[in-house]
Amino acid sequence: DQQVKQNSPSLSVQEGRISILNCDYTNSMFDYFLWYKKYPAEGPTFLISISSIKDKNEDGRFTVFLNKSAKHLSLHIVPSQPGDSAVYFCAASDDSNYQLIWGAGTKLIIKP
Amino acid sequence: EAQVTQNPRYLITVTGKKLTVTCSQNMNHEYMSWYRQDPGLGLRQIYYSMNVEVTDKGDVPEGYKVSRKEKRNFPLILESPSPNQTSLYFCASSSERETENEQFFGPGTRLTVL
Repeated sequence: DQQVKQNSPSLSVQEGRISILNCDYTNSMFDYFLWYKKYPAEGPTFLISISSIKDKNEDGRFTVFLNKSAKHLSLHIVPSQPGDSAVYFCAASDDSNYQLIWGAGTKLIIKP
Repeated sequence: EAQVTQNPRYLITVTGKKLTVTCSQNMNHEYMSWYRQDPGLGLRQIYYSMNVEVTDKGDVPEGYKVSRKEKRNFPLILESPSPNQTSLYFCASSSERETENEQFFGPGTRLTVL
Protein backbone atom coordinates (compact mmCIF):
# COMPACT_ATOMS: atom_id res chain seq x y z
CA ASP A 1 0.00 0.00 0.00
CA GLN A 2 1.48 3.32 -1.08
CA GLN A 3 2.01 5.74 1.78
CA VAL A 4 2.45 8.72 -0.55
CA LYS A 5 -0.03 9.11 -3.39
CA GLN A 6 -0.12 11.43 -6.32
CA ASN A 7 -3.47 10.60 -7.83
CA SER A 8 -3.12 12.61 -11.02
CA PRO A 9 -0.71 10.95 -13.46
CA SER A 10 -0.81 14.06 -15.62
CA LEU A 11 -1.98 17.66 -15.62
CA SER A 12 -2.26 20.16 -18.46
CA VAL A 13 -2.21 23.91 -17.73
CA GLN A 14 -2.19 27.01 -19.90
CA GLU A 15 0.99 29.08 -19.82
CA GLY A 16 0.64 31.95 -17.35
CA ARG A 17 -2.03 30.24 -15.27
CA ILE A 18 -1.63 28.51 -11.91
CA SER A 19 -0.55 24.87 -11.74
CA ILE A 20 -1.63 22.92 -8.66
CA LEU A 21 -0.12 19.52 -8.03
CA ASN A 22 -1.51 17.41 -5.21
CA CYS A 23 -0.09 14.78 -2.91
CA ASP A 24 -1.77 12.73 -0.18
CA TYR A 25 -0.10 10.64 2.50
CA THR A 26 -1.28 8.08 5.01
CA ASN A 27 1.50 7.97 7.62
CA SER A 28 0.87 10.53 10.37
CA MET A 29 4.50 10.15 11.48
CA PHE A 30 5.79 11.91 8.36
CA ASP A 31 7.33 15.19 9.41
CA TYR A 32 9.14 16.44 6.32
CA PHE A 33 7.96 16.74 2.76
CA LEU A 34 9.82 17.52 -0.44
CA TRP A 35 9.01 18.16 -4.08
CA TYR A 36 11.37 17.14 -6.85
CA LYS A 37 11.16 17.94 -10.52
CA LYS A 38 12.34 15.62 -13.28
CA TYR A 39 13.00 16.28 -16.93
CA PRO A 40 13.30 13.39 -19.44
CA ALA A 41 16.70 11.68 -19.48
CA GLU A 42 17.78 13.50 -16.33
CA GLY A 43 17.71 12.72 -12.63
CA PRO A 44 15.24 14.44 -10.29
CA THR A 45 16.23 17.84 -8.94
CA PHE A 46 15.13 19.29 -5.62
CA LEU A 47 12.47 21.99 -5.87
CA ILE A 48 11.06 22.91 -2.48
CA SER A 49 10.40 21.38 0.94
CA ILE A 50 8.30 21.91 4.03
CA SER A 51 8.52 20.81 7.63
CA SER A 52 5.43 19.58 9.44
CA ILE A 53 5.68 22.52 11.84
CA LYS A 54 4.75 24.84 8.99
CA ASP A 55 1.72 25.02 6.75
CA LYS A 56 3.27 27.00 3.92
CA ASN A 57 6.63 27.53 2.31
CA GLU A 58 7.28 29.84 -0.60
CA ASP A 59 10.18 30.14 -3.01
CA GLY A 60 9.64 32.48 -5.94
CA ARG A 61 6.93 31.09 -8.18
CA PHE A 62 6.66 27.90 -6.11
CA THR A 63 4.61 27.52 -2.94
CA VAL A 64 3.96 24.34 -1.02
CA PHE A 65 0.96 24.08 1.30
CA LEU A 66 0.62 21.43 4.00
CA ASN A 67 -2.67 20.41 5.60
CA LYS A 68 -1.72 17.96 8.34
CA SER A 69 -5.27 17.19 9.43
CA ALA A 70 -6.15 16.15 5.88
CA LYS A 71 -2.73 14.55 5.29
CA HIS A 72 -2.49 16.53 2.10
CA LEU A 73 0.05 18.79 0.50
CA SER A 74 0.00 20.74 -2.71
CA LEU A 75 2.50 22.54 -4.90
CA HIS A 76 1.40 25.76 -6.56
CA ILE A 77 3.29 27.21 -9.50
CA VAL A 78 2.35 30.77 -10.43
CA PRO A 79 2.63 31.78 -13.20
CA SER A 80 3.27 28.55 -15.07
CA GLN A 81 5.99 28.68 -17.70
CA PRO A 82 6.91 26.30 -20.55
CA GLY A 83 10.05 25.24 -18.69
CA ASP A 84 7.87 23.94 -15.88
CA SER A 85 6.77 21.04 -18.09
CA ALA A 86 8.23 18.04 -16.25
CA VAL A 87 7.33 15.20 -13.90
CA TYR A 88 6.89 16.31 -10.29
CA PHE A 89 7.47 13.92 -7.42
CA CYS A 90 6.26 14.36 -3.88
CA ALA A 91 8.33 12.66 -1.15
CA ALA A 92 7.94 12.31 2.61
CA SER A 93 9.96 11.15 5.58
CA ASP A 94 9.71 10.65 9.31
CA ASP A 95 12.35 11.30 11.91
CA SER A 96 12.91 7.65 12.76
CA ASN A 97 14.70 6.58 9.62
CA TYR A 98 16.77 7.83 6.75
CA GLN A 99 14.38 6.95 3.98
CA LEU A 100 12.22 9.03 1.73
CA ILE A 101 8.91 7.61 0.56
CA TRP A 102 8.08 8.80 -2.94
CA GLY A 103 4.86 9.29 -4.81
CA ALA A 104 4.45 7.98 -8.35
CA GLY A 105 4.78 11.43 -9.90
CA THR A 106 2.56 13.81 -11.88
CA LYS A 107 3.47 14.86 -15.40
CA LEU A 108 2.82 18.58 -15.82
CA ILE A 109 2.33 19.90 -19.35
CA ILE A 110 2.31 23.66 -19.88
CA LYS A 111 0.44 24.61 -23.04
CA PRO A 112 1.42 27.76 -24.97
CA GLU B 1 30.97 21.30 -11.58
CA ALA B 2 29.22 19.53 -8.71
CA GLN B 3 27.67 16.37 -10.02
CA VAL B 4 26.75 12.74 -9.62
CA THR B 5 27.79 10.52 -12.50
CA GLN B 6 26.52 7.07 -13.36
CA ASN B 7 27.77 4.55 -15.88
CA PRO B 8 26.59 3.09 -18.07
CA ARG B 9 23.57 5.21 -19.01
CA TYR B 10 21.97 2.37 -20.93
CA LEU B 11 22.52 -1.36 -20.61
CA ILE B 12 20.87 -4.40 -22.15
CA THR B 13 21.94 -7.70 -20.68
CA VAL B 14 20.75 -11.28 -20.24
CA THR B 15 19.49 -13.12 -17.21
CA GLY B 16 22.24 -14.25 -14.85
CA LYS B 17 25.09 -12.18 -16.24
CA LYS B 18 26.66 -10.20 -13.39
CA LEU B 19 26.81 -6.46 -13.87
CA THR B 20 27.90 -3.35 -12.00
CA VAL B 21 26.54 0.16 -12.32
CA THR B 22 29.00 2.73 -11.08
CA CYS B 23 28.14 5.92 -9.23
CA SER B 24 30.50 8.71 -8.31
CA GLN B 25 30.00 12.10 -6.68
CA ASN B 26 32.45 15.00 -6.40
CA MET B 27 30.74 16.93 -3.59
CA ASN B 28 32.32 15.09 -0.64
CA HIS B 29 28.87 13.93 0.45
CA GLU B 30 28.51 11.40 3.25
CA TYR B 31 25.15 10.01 2.18
CA MET B 32 24.58 8.07 -0.99
CA SER B 33 21.58 6.04 -2.18
CA TRP B 34 20.39 3.87 -5.01
CA TYR B 35 16.82 4.04 -6.26
CA ARG B 36 14.84 2.31 -8.94
CA GLN B 37 11.98 3.99 -10.75
CA ASP B 38 9.15 1.93 -12.19
CA PRO B 39 5.95 3.18 -13.85
CA GLY B 40 3.23 3.99 -11.34
CA LEU B 41 5.50 3.33 -8.37
CA GLY B 42 7.71 6.39 -8.09
CA LEU B 43 11.22 5.95 -6.73
CA ARG B 44 11.96 3.09 -4.37
CA GLN B 45 15.17 2.97 -2.38
CA ILE B 46 17.36 -0.08 -2.90
CA TYR B 47 20.31 0.60 -0.58
CA TYR B 48 21.81 3.58 1.13
CA SER B 49 25.10 4.46 2.76
CA MET B 50 25.71 6.95 5.54
CA ASN B 51 29.47 6.90 5.15
CA VAL B 52 32.42 4.79 4.06
CA GLU B 53 31.93 1.13 4.95
CA VAL B 54 28.41 1.85 6.28
CA THR B 55 25.57 0.55 4.12
CA ASP B 56 22.00 -0.47 4.83
CA LYS B 57 19.01 -1.91 3.04
CA GLY B 58 16.27 0.24 1.64
CA ASP B 59 12.79 -0.86 0.62
CA VAL B 60 13.72 -3.22 -2.22
CA PRO B 61 17.22 -4.65 -1.62
CA GLU B 62 16.60 -8.20 -2.89
CA GLY B 63 18.88 -9.12 -5.77
CA TYR B 64 21.25 -6.19 -5.28
CA LYS B 65 24.53 -5.56 -3.51
CA VAL B 66 26.44 -2.36 -2.85
CA SER B 67 29.78 -1.35 -1.44
CA ARG B 68 31.23 1.91 -0.12
CA LYS B 69 34.98 1.61 0.02
CA GLU B 70 35.57 5.24 -0.84
CA LYS B 71 33.50 8.28 -0.01
CA ARG B 72 32.95 9.31 -3.62
CA ASN B 73 31.93 5.92 -5.08
CA PHE B 74 28.89 3.75 -4.47
CA PRO B 75 28.56 0.97 -7.07
CA LEU B 76 25.41 -1.11 -7.47
CA ILE B 77 26.00 -4.79 -8.18
CA LEU B 78 23.53 -7.24 -9.66
CA GLU B 79 25.10 -10.67 -9.16
CA SER B 80 22.47 -12.55 -11.18
CA PRO B 81 20.13 -10.12 -12.92
CA SER B 82 16.57 -11.18 -13.65
CA PRO B 83 13.92 -9.61 -15.93
CA ASN B 84 12.09 -8.09 -12.94
CA GLN B 85 15.16 -5.90 -12.39
CA THR B 86 14.52 -4.16 -15.69
CA SER B 87 14.10 -0.58 -14.53
CA LEU B 88 15.48 2.95 -14.46
CA TYR B 89 18.11 3.33 -11.74
CA PHE B 90 19.22 6.51 -10.02
CA CYS B 91 22.11 7.16 -7.71
CA ALA B 92 21.86 10.11 -5.32
CA SER B 93 24.00 11.84 -2.73
CA SER B 94 23.49 14.42 -0.01
CA SER B 95 25.61 16.17 2.58
CA GLU B 96 23.67 15.10 5.66
CA ARG B 97 20.59 13.13 6.52
CA GLU B 98 19.03 12.63 3.14
CA THR B 99 15.52 13.16 4.28
CA GLU B 100 16.03 16.75 5.31
CA ASN B 101 18.60 17.83 2.82
CA GLU B 102 18.58 18.18 -0.87
CA GLN B 103 19.65 15.05 -2.68
CA PHE B 104 21.61 15.33 -5.87
CA PHE B 105 20.74 12.70 -8.45
CA GLY B 106 22.71 11.18 -11.26
CA PRO B 107 21.24 11.12 -14.78
CA GLY B 108 19.96 7.57 -14.47
CA THR B 109 20.81 4.14 -15.89
CA ARG B 110 18.21 2.37 -17.96
CA LEU B 111 18.69 -1.36 -17.52
CA THR B 112 16.96 -4.05 -19.56
CA VAL B 113 17.38 -7.68 -18.54
CA LEU B 114 16.30 -10.17 -21.21
